[in-house]
Amino acid sequence: AQTVTQSQPEMSVQEAETVTLSCTYDTSENNYYLFWYKQPPSRQMILVIRQEAYKQQNATENRFSVNFQKAAKSFSLKISDSQLGDTAMYFCAFMKRGSGGGADGLTFGKGTHLIIQP
Amino acid sequence: GAVVSQHPSRVICKSGTSVKIECRSLDFQATTMFWYRQFPKKSLMLMATSNEGSKATYEQGVEKDKFLINHASLTLSTLTVTSAHPEDSSFYICSAREGLAGGWGDTQYFGPGTRLTVL
Repeated sequence: AQTVTQSQPEMSVQEAETVTLSCTYDTSENNYYLFWYKQPPSRQMILVIRQEAYKQQNATENRFSVNFQKAAKSFSLKISDSQLGDTAMYFCAFMKRGSGGGADGLTFGKGTHLIIQP
Repeated sequence: GAVVSQHPSRVICKSGTSVKIECRSLDFQATTMFWYRQFPKKSLMLMATSNEGSKATYEQGVEKDKFLINHASLTLSTLTVTSAHPEDSSFYICSAREGLAGGWGDTQYFGPGTRLTVL
């Protein structure tokens, strides 16, 4: 079984600053995906970014980028030029390739509550 | 694109009754849907994987006779909480995986969730 650890229960930064959320995972799998999801107060889960384990290049999506260190099993999220709308719970998630090539469900970390201060 | 809906968004029921929650993929076909449970200020826990036309696969510790899952079509999966009790009160979230069966690691899109309160 795999585990996902987010060691920062809460973080607070000023608007426009850069913030990095940490995530480590443990797995014996070699083929998997990693994700960051955002959950605002509405509780709707929103995909922020995803990383395929076989790709060495770090994924980026506008202000969001990851630092994927496969050997260290680390997958941090960097948010640049943070905005008030970035305030939310952020969950790191792991998904392994299921048997027969299908996808498994997601294993989530406990989440980091990010607060962007005006 | 990739919109997933859930109905109802909120339900309150008496202990001992059954509650059905629907999860629909609105603009894509979902061969696989997943059901998660989230307690207040906690993370999401996978309950079961629902594949169209076959039996659901439940995670360890999830009672399959209590949480009945039916994935009758490529756009609809239902979760029925049978004989609900107060400890079943929680936030239930579904997700749908876009992609062909047997495909590789497609992204899961989440529904808005259903808050169940059992009195």
